[in-house]
Order: sequence, then C-alpha cells, then structure tokens
Amino acid sequence: EPEVTQTPSHQVTQMGQEVILRCVPISNHLYFYWYRQILGQKVEFLVSFYNNEISEKSEIFDDQFSVERPDGSNFTLKIRSTKLEDSAMYFCASSDGSLSYNEQFFGPGTRLTVL
Amino acid sequence: GDSVTQMEGPVTLSEEAFLTINCTYTATGYPSLFWYVQYPGEGLQLLLKATKADDKGSNKGFEATYRKETTSFHLEKGSVQVSDSAVYFCALSDRSGYSTLTFGKGTMLLVSP
Repeated sequence: EPEVTQTPSHQVTQMGQEVILRCVPISNHLYFYWYRQILGQKVEFLVSFYNNEISEKSEIFDDQFSVERPDGSNFTLKIRSTKLEDSAMYFCASSDGSLSYNEQFFGPGTRLTVL
Repeated sequence: GDSVTQMEGPVTLSEEAFLTINCTYTATGYPSLFWYVQYPGEGLQLLLKATKADDKGSNKGFEATYRKETTSFHLEKGSVQVSDSAVYFCALSDRSGYSTLTFGKGTMLLVSP
C-alpha cells in the first residue's frame, strides 16, 4: 500500500542552525502539507503546496520557513535558523484532491529537537 | 476561526470496556469531520469520517455521529482491545475539498489486558 515517508525520524540541531526535513508523498498525489505538533499541544497546520507553489500558510509559517519540491518525488521543509520553540514533531501529508472531504495521508513524522 | 476540543487523556480502560472520547467543534459553515489514529511510531491514519450532519462514520468497530445541533463528533467503541491503544485525534476541514485540517490535541487511549 502506498505511504508517505519522512526522513529523518529524529533530528537534533543547535539553535540558529538550518534544518531540512524531507518527505516523499504518495506518487500520484497533487496536494502536499506540513503540520507540526509541539509536545502536549495540538497538531497545527503550517503550509499547503499545490502546482509548485504555496496555496495556503498559517501564521506560524514565517520567513524562517520555506518549502520546496526539488524533484518529482521529494517535498521538503526548511527552517533557516532554528529556535528552541521549533522543537516539535513535524508531519508531512499528501492528498490526491479527488475526494470532496480531502482525505490526507500522513507520514510517521520527524521529531525535531533544538538545543 | 475553526477549532476542535477533545477530552484530555490518557483514557485508561480494561479490555472489552466501552470507550467514548468526546469531541466538539467550532466552525463556520458545514465542515467535514474526521477521527485520526496514531499508533506508536507511526503516522496519523484516517480512522473514520463524516461529511454532513447526522452521518455516522464507522471503521474497525469505532463509530462517530456528526451532530450539528450539539457541534459534536464523539468517538465510541463497544469493546476495546489492547491493540486499540493509540492516540486519537479529532479533526475538521471545511467543505472546499482541498483545505487544511484543524486538529484537536489528541487523546491517548491505554487498554490493559
């Protein structure tokens, strides 16, 4: 069964460093998303991406964040200069957009720890 | 804006007990409602959904009914198993089809033999 994959499963970085979180969405999907969950808090939407551009982003997704689909399979989230408060679980999701209720398929997440 | 409120966890039950996890929502319009489940070490998986009022979503013995009058979508299961131990997330999206999901905080369920 097709699935969304994410790498790495756990990333530890120093404050101020750049990190790139990687996702491989399901191959025929057209819509891509990043969400995050700070420990003990809600899963929060960050950004959605369609047709090689951002279609929607939340207030969390400031200038420190960027997304890219560098090739036909990967979808990346870059944090330019990490802060302590960026420590969270980051989930990638994708959907094919064919269903009116927008079923999204999620990856297992990358746990980012900023020291 | 849209929001989802779930009961706090963890919920601790013995095997074969009845499960209810409460979920209420605030949204403009008529959202679609979802329950996602996250097993240890895995991603979020769609458990069930309901796209309009009075719809009942069901899967793997779990059920939830879309109650517009009480803005609720409570998750129930008649007899839980140890393998149901996981974190359960209630979520909504608006009816545009490609919109983002708004999640609750998640409720951890622990089932003991």
